Amino acid sequence: QVQLQQSGPGLVKPSQTLSLTCAISGDTVSSNSAAWAWIRQSPSRGLEWLGRTYYRSRWYSEYAVSVKSRISINADPSKNHFSLQLTSVTPEDTAVYYCARDQWGQDWYFDLWGRGTLVTVSS
Amino acid sequence: QSVLTQPPSMSAAPGQEVTISCSGSSSNIGNNYVSWYQQFPGTAPKLLIYDNNKRPSGIPDRFSGSKSGTSATLGITGLQTGDEADYYCGTWDYSPTAGRVFGTGTKVTVL
Repeated sequence: QVQLQQSGPGLVKPSQTLSLTCAISGDTVSSNSAAWAWIRQSPSRGLEWLGRTYYRSRWYSEYAVSVKSRISINADPSKNHFSLQLTSVTPEDTAVYYCARDQWGQDWYFDLWGRGTLVTVSS
Repeated sequence: QSVLTQPPSMSAAPGQEVTISCSGSSSNIGNNYVSWYQQFPGTAPKLLIYDNNKRPSGIPDRFSGSKSGTSATLGITGLQTGDEADYYCGTWDYSPTAGRVFGTGTKVTVL
């Protein structure tokens, strides 16, 4: 059974960097058929895709334009996990952050989600 | 801000049917497949439908999906109290500032 286990701080100060990790069990971050994504949810912005990383002979990352200048998603195959870093956070970055597996059928869809981490940006 | 529009809420009695719409454009639904997610309060979304109309293992056939043009629809028949949740559509958007996008969400209430 595939599971995603999220970890990271729930409180980040303004202007600092938000860092979260998603540990994968039952699958591999180096999968040639899946991608690994971060999505956040807030009352003001709804569900918002942040980006994803995937391995196809080499590593690729794709990011939402809204956060492209501040985001980094990286995989660590030795630990079988992937991580999110979002720099220069503001209170608008306060949200529940989810990691998710992105699968391909005839198109991409999120078939597995982590439990979510509430991250509050506040001094 | 979501580019896919859903009705904020829908309600029906147990046993009845609800149909949730997801309206988009040619840059998203019109040229891509749609997935649907169910979310209970305080929990993560769960995949209900993918590739417009396919159900993952374990999802009952009371849930169905369809797409026509730039709109998609989620149908729930034989409504149960356990179906009371928020429902979201999702797809790709290939406009310059987009990526993966989700709908605004629909709260389904079982009367």
